[in-house]
Amino acid sequence: DAGVTQSPTHLIKTRGQHVTLRCSPISGHKSVSWYQQVLGQGPQFIFQYYEKEERGRGNFPDRFSARQFPNYSSELNVNALLLGDSALYLCASSFSGGVGSPLHFGNGTRLTVT
Amino acid sequence: QKEVEQNSGPLSVPEGAIASLNCTYSDRVSQSFFWYRQYSGKSPELIMSIYSNGDKEDGRFTAQLNKASQYVSLLIRDSQPSDSATYLCAVVMDSNYQLIWGAGTKLIIKP
Repeated sequence: DAGVTQSPTHLIKTRGQHVTLRCSPISGHKSVSWYQQVLGQGPQFIFQYYEKEERGRGNFPDRFSARQFPNYSSELNVNALLLGDSALYLCASSFSGGVGSPLHFGNGTRLTVT
Repeated sequence: QKEVEQNSGPLSVPEGAIASLNCTYSDRVSQSFFWYRQYSGKSPELIMSIYSNGDKEDGRFTAQLNKASQYVSLLIRDSQPSDSATYLCAVVMDSNYQLIWGAGTKLIIKP
Protein backbone atom coordinates (compact mmCIF):
# COMPACT_ATOMS: atom_id res chain seq x y z
CA ASP A 1 0.00 0.00 0.00
CA ALA A 2 1.22 3.46 -0.84
CA GLY A 3 2.01 5.65 2.11
CA VAL A 4 1.78 9.41 2.28
CA THR A 5 3.54 10.90 -0.73
CA GLN A 6 4.96 14.39 -0.90
CA SER A 7 6.43 16.34 -3.77
CA PRO A 8 8.91 17.68 -4.46
CA THR A 9 11.46 16.12 -2.12
CA HIS A 10 13.81 19.09 -2.28
CA LEU A 11 13.31 22.67 -3.36
CA ILE A 12 15.53 25.74 -3.51
CA LYS A 13 13.85 29.13 -3.76
CA THR A 14 14.88 32.76 -3.50
CA ARG A 15 13.54 35.23 -0.95
CA GLY A 16 10.26 36.77 -2.07
CA GLN A 17 9.29 33.86 -4.30
CA HIS A 18 6.27 31.64 -3.91
CA VAL A 19 6.24 27.87 -3.37
CA THR A 20 3.62 25.12 -3.62
CA LEU A 21 4.09 21.81 -1.84
CA ARG A 22 1.91 18.80 -2.56
CA CYS A 23 0.73 15.84 -0.54
CA SER A 24 -1.29 12.70 -1.26
CA PRO A 25 -2.64 10.92 1.81
CA ILE A 26 -2.91 7.21 2.41
CA SER A 27 -5.88 5.78 0.54
CA GLY A 28 -8.96 6.06 2.74
CA HIS A 29 -7.53 8.80 4.94
CA LYS A 30 -9.61 11.95 4.92
CA SER A 31 -7.47 14.22 7.07
CA VAL A 32 -4.25 15.94 6.07
CA SER A 33 -2.07 18.02 8.36
CA TRP A 34 0.94 20.14 7.53
CA TYR A 35 3.92 20.67 9.81
CA GLN A 36 7.12 22.69 9.64
CA GLN A 37 10.20 21.20 11.25
CA VAL A 38 13.36 23.18 11.77
CA LEU A 39 16.56 21.26 12.53
CA GLY A 40 16.77 20.36 16.20
CA GLN A 41 13.13 21.10 16.93
CA GLY A 42 9.90 19.20 16.94
CA PRO A 43 7.30 19.66 14.21
CA GLN A 44 5.27 22.86 14.39
CA PHE A 45 1.62 22.60 13.37
CA ILE A 46 0.60 24.71 10.37
CA PHE A 47 -2.79 23.45 9.13
CA GLN A 48 -5.19 20.56 9.35
CA TYR A 49 -7.85 19.75 6.75
CA TYR A 50 -10.60 17.20 7.07
CA GLU A 51 -13.15 16.49 4.38
CA LYS A 52 -11.86 19.52 2.45
CA GLU A 53 -12.51 21.93 5.29
CA GLU A 54 -9.93 23.64 7.48
CA ARG A 55 -10.04 22.07 10.94
CA GLY A 56 -7.18 23.92 12.56
CA ARG A 57 -4.52 26.53 11.98
CA GLY A 58 -1.27 27.00 13.84
CA ASN A 59 0.54 30.20 14.66
CA PHE A 60 1.84 30.98 11.18
CA PRO A 61 1.48 34.21 9.17
CA ASP A 62 -1.06 34.67 6.40
CA ARG A 63 1.69 34.02 3.86
CA PHE A 64 0.95 30.36 4.55
CA SER A 65 -2.21 28.90 3.04
CA ALA A 66 -3.44 25.46 2.18
CA ARG A 67 -6.33 23.60 0.64
CA GLN A 68 -7.61 20.07 0.29
CA PHE A 69 -9.04 18.69 -2.92
CA PRO A 70 -12.00 16.32 -3.48
CA ASN A 71 -9.59 13.37 -3.72
CA TYR A 72 -8.21 14.40 -0.27
CA SER A 73 -4.83 15.44 -1.62
CA SER A 74 -3.56 18.77 -0.37
CA GLU A 75 -1.39 21.73 -1.26
CA LEU A 76 0.54 24.04 1.02
CA ASN A 77 1.35 27.45 -0.43
CA VAL A 78 3.85 29.90 0.97
CA ASN A 79 4.10 33.42 -0.45
CA ALA A 80 6.85 36.01 -0.12
CA LEU A 81 9.39 33.48 1.12
CA LEU A 82 11.74 34.48 3.91
CA LEU A 83 15.05 32.91 4.85
CA GLY A 84 13.39 31.67 8.03
CA ASP A 85 10.99 29.55 6.00
CA SER A 86 13.83 27.15 5.25
CA ALA A 87 12.78 23.90 6.89
CA LEU A 88 11.47 20.40 6.38
CA TYR A 89 7.76 20.52 5.57
CA LEU A 90 5.91 17.42 6.64
CA CYS A 91 2.52 16.23 5.56
CA ALA A 92 0.66 13.72 7.69
CA SER A 93 -2.58 11.91 7.05
CA SER A 94 -5.00 10.23 9.40
CA PHE A 95 -8.23 8.35 8.93
CA SER A 96 -10.35 10.66 11.03
CA GLY A 97 -10.03 14.34 11.77
CA GLY A 98 -9.59 13.82 15.49
CA VAL A 99 -6.53 15.60 16.81
CA GLY A 100 -5.61 12.49 18.77
CA SER A 101 -5.65 10.23 15.72
CA PRO A 102 -2.32 8.58 14.93
CA LEU A 103 -0.47 10.47 12.20
CA HIS A 104 1.22 8.88 9.20
CA PHE A 105 3.91 11.12 7.81
CA GLY A 106 5.26 11.49 4.33
CA ASN A 107 9.00 11.80 3.71
CA GLY A 108 8.78 15.56 3.68
CA THR A 109 9.85 18.39 1.39
CA ARG A 110 13.15 20.06 2.24
CA LEU A 111 12.78 23.75 1.39
CA THR A 112 15.83 25.97 1.23
CA VAL A 113 15.33 29.71 0.82
CA THR A 114 18.40 31.68 -0.27
CA GLN B 1 7.54 27.34 30.32
CA LYS B 2 7.39 25.26 27.16
CA GLU B 3 4.21 23.27 26.71
CA VAL B 4 6.03 19.99 26.09
CA GLU B 5 9.58 19.57 27.33
CA GLN B 6 12.16 16.91 26.63
CA ASN B 7 15.84 16.65 27.42
CA SER B 8 17.57 17.18 24.08
CA GLY B 9 20.33 14.70 24.89
CA PRO B 10 22.15 13.01 23.42
CA LEU B 11 21.36 10.10 25.71
CA SER B 12 23.95 7.37 25.31
CA VAL B 13 22.98 3.83 26.33
CA PRO B 14 24.95 0.59 25.92
CA GLU B 15 23.48 -2.06 23.67
CA GLY B 16 21.21 -4.43 25.59
CA ALA B 17 20.48 -1.94 28.38
CA ILE B 18 17.22 -0.10 29.11
CA ALA B 19 16.84 3.36 27.58
CA SER B 20 14.58 5.74 29.51
CA LEU B 21 13.17 8.82 27.78
CA ASN B 22 11.14 11.43 29.61
CA CYS B 23 8.67 14.15 28.68
CA THR B 24 6.83 16.70 30.80
CA TYR B 25 3.84 18.77 29.72
CA SER B 26 2.12 21.89 30.99
CA ASP B 27 -1.59 21.26 30.38
CA ARG B 28 -2.92 19.41 33.42
CA VAL B 29 -6.01 18.13 31.60
CA SER B 30 -4.27 16.72 28.51
CA GLN B 31 -5.68 13.33 27.57
CA SER B 32 -3.70 11.95 24.62
CA PHE B 33 0.03 11.28 24.49
CA PHE B 34 2.23 9.94 21.73
CA TRP B 35 5.82 8.84 21.17
CA TYR B 36 7.26 9.14 17.68
CA ARG B 37 10.67 8.00 16.46
CA GLN B 38 12.55 10.03 13.86
CA TYR B 39 15.68 8.77 12.17
CA SER B 40 18.08 11.38 10.87
CA GLY B 41 16.77 12.85 7.62
CA LYS B 42 13.53 10.91 7.82
CA SER B 43 10.00 11.69 8.93
CA PRO B 44 8.52 10.79 12.32
CA GLU B 45 6.86 7.40 12.80
CA LEU B 46 4.45 6.49 15.58
CA ILE B 47 5.74 4.10 18.23
CA MET B 48 3.20 4.30 21.02
CA SER B 49 0.08 6.10 22.10
CA ILE B 50 -1.15 6.21 25.69
CA TYR B 51 -4.28 7.71 27.15
CA SER B 52 -4.63 6.35 30.71
CA ASN B 53 -2.42 6.49 33.77
CA GLY B 54 -0.06 3.57 34.14
CA ASP B 55 2.01 1.47 31.79
CA LYS B 56 1.37 0.33 28.25
CA GLU B 57 3.65 -2.29 26.72
CA ASP B 58 4.28 -3.10 23.08
CA GLY B 59 7.16 -5.46 22.47
CA ARG B 60 10.38 -3.88 23.74
CA PHE B 61 8.64 -0.55 24.28
CA THR B 62 6.76 0.57 27.40
CA ALA B 63 5.04 3.92 27.73
CA GLN B 64 4.36 5.23 31.22
CA LEU B 65 1.90 8.01 32.00
CA ASN B 66 1.50 9.92 35.26
CA LYS B 67 -1.11 12.65 34.83
CA ALA B 68 -0.81 13.88 38.41
CA SER B 69 2.88 14.64 37.88
CA GLN B 70 2.34 15.62 34.23
CA TYR B 71 4.96 13.39 32.72
CA VAL B 72 5.08 10.60 30.20
CA SER B 73 8.04 8.34 29.62
CA LEU B 74 9.19 5.74 27.13
CA LEU B 75 11.29 2.76 28.11
CA ILE B 76 13.13 0.70 25.52
CA ARG B 77 14.30 -2.68 26.77
CA ASP B 78 17.19 -4.61 25.24
CA SER B 79 18.30 -1.52 23.31
CA GLN B 80 19.64 -2.14 19.82
CA PRO B 81 21.85 0.09 17.65
CA SER B 82 18.84 0.40 15.30
CA ASP B 83 17.02 2.23 18.13
CA SER B 84 19.43 5.14 17.70
CA ALA B 85 17.18 8.02 16.65
CA THR B 86 15.45 11.12 17.97
CA TYR B 87 12.36 10.37 20.03
CA LEU B 88 9.59 12.95 19.93
CA CYS B 89 6.90 13.31 22.56
CA ALA B 90 3.58 14.78 21.39
CA VAL B 91 0.67 15.81 23.60
CA VAL B 92 -2.86 16.88 22.74
CA MET B 93 -3.37 20.08 24.69
CA ASP B 94 -6.90 20.31 26.00
CA SER B 95 -6.63 24.09 26.18
CA ASN B 96 -6.48 24.56 22.40
CA TYR B 97 -7.10 21.01 21.15
CA GLN B 98 -3.82 20.98 19.25
CA LEU B 99 -1.09 18.39 19.09
CA ILE B 100 2.01 19.97 20.59
CA TRP B 101 5.44 18.43 20.07
CA GLY B 102 8.54 18.41 22.19
CA ALA B 103 11.90 19.13 20.60
CA GLY B 104 12.92 15.49 20.89
CA THR B 105 15.61 13.50 22.68
CA LYS B 106 18.47 12.10 20.64
CA LEU B 107 19.21 8.52 21.69
CA ILE B 108 22.47 6.78 20.84
CA ILE B 109 22.83 3.06 21.44
CA LYS B 110 26.49 2.08 21.65
CA PRO B 111 27.42 -1.45 20.48
